[in-house]
Amino acid sequence: GAGVSQSPSNKVTEKGKDVELRCDPISGHTALYWYRQRLGQGLEFLIYFQGNSAPDKSGLPSDRFSAERTGESVSTLTIQRTQQEDSAVYLCASSFLGVGYTFGSGTRLTVV
Amino acid sequence: RKEVEQDPGPFNVPEGATVAFNCTYSNSASQSFFWYRQDCRKEPKLLMSVYSSGNEDGRFTAQLNRASQYISLLIRDSKLSDSATYLCVVNRGYGGSQGNLIFGKGTKLSVKP
Repeated sequence: GAGVSQSPSNKVTEKGKDVELRCDPISGHTALYWYRQRLGQGLEFLIYFQGNSAPDKSGLPSDRFSAERTGESVSTLTIQRTQQEDSAVYLCASSFLGVGYTFGSGTRLTVV
Repeated sequence: RKEVEQDPGPFNVPEGATVAFNCTYSNSASQSFFWYRQDCRKEPKLLMSVYSSGNEDGRFTAQLNRASQYISLLIRDSKLSDSATYLCVVNRGYGGSQGNLIFGKGTKLSVKP
């Protein structure tokens, strides 16, 4: 596609439920990144994919968070047993050879 | 020490002013440097890359000092539309591979008429 596509754009979920967030990178972009941004805060790195491997998953806050990627295509970020502190905007970005990082418009997650 | 540090601001300046933002980074192995712009409730967008020799794009000038691990952004002749949060971004660097981007918390700029 022309840009990075994320879905859903908004998600309200009850505490304790699992959620799955999806990211469709720009076609041909080998690298894919997930970030989290809490209200009024900076971007917090979660995980980085090169192809379908994850050289750096050091930012995942707990074992409730996991992510996978199919080839050089779609990635899903799964949060199990959501907590209120998980409420944030989850941003995905993709790039090719370290240039042209492009962000999607994010998924706004609200845990009630 | 945080990986990327910026003055959070806010910087409140009149139209036409010149404003400068500074940023320091801690990882001497970092290879790539950027300034991103983020408007309220929007995703970050690349403003410009930062090269060792310094680079300019219209009213915007970026500079990198590797020895001091310091990056700057200068905005001349500020416009109302420049109001945003400016994010200093550094790649963590994995021996030449892309690594991942580490974002500063941003400096908020508000340009007033």
